Amino acid sequence: EPEVTQTPSHQVTQMGQEVILRCVPISNHLYFYWYRQILGQKVEFLVSFYNNEISEKSEIFDDQFSVERPDGSNFTLKIRSTKLEDSAMYFCASRDTSAEQFFGPGTRLTVL
Amino acid sequence: KNQVEQSPQSLIILEGKNCTLQCNYTVSPFSNLRWYKQDTGRGPVSLTIMTFSENTKSNGRYTATLDADTKQSSLHITASQLSDSASYICVVSARSSASKIIFGSGTRLSIRP
Repeated sequence: EPEVTQTPSHQVTQMGQEVILRCVPISNHLYFYWYRQILGQKVEFLVSFYNNEISEKSEIFDDQFSVERPDGSNFTLKIRSTKLEDSAMYFCASRDTSAEQFFGPGTRLTVL
Repeated sequence: KNQVEQSPQSLIILEGKNCTLQCNYTVSPFSNLRWYKQDTGRGPVSLTIMTFSENTKSNGRYTATLDADTKQSSLHITASQLSDSASYICVVSARSSASKIIFGSGTRLSIRP
């Protein structure tokens, strides 16, 4: 069964460093999303991406964040200068034309 | 303000018993409501999706209901199994707006043998 994959599973970085979180959505999906979940808190929407551009983004998704689909399979989230409060699980999700989103297993980002 | 509230916050039941989880929302205009199961440290897995016109949807031992008038939903789990131990998250989406995808805090369900 096709699934969304994410790498790495755990990323540890120093404050101020840049990180890139990678996702491979399900191959025939057209809509892509990033979410984050701070430990013990709700999942929060970050950004949606369709047709090679951002369709919507939340207030959390400030200038430190960017997304890219560098090729036909990967979908990346870049954080330019990480802060302590960026520590969270980051989930990628994708969907086709239906409403059901399929989530990846997440990347745990720890900023020291 | 768009909100999704779930109750109870946590629940412990014995294996084989049934349980019902609640979700109240104020998201508008309503598009769909989804229930997800999230194991600790894993991504959410979709259980059911319901649109405005659907009152009930089942997926195996999971049955979700939706009352769009009172803006309430429930998830009923029948004959619980140890593997049902997880967080169950209610997610409500607003029509034509990806940013208005509001997650509830979840109900932490523990099944005891």
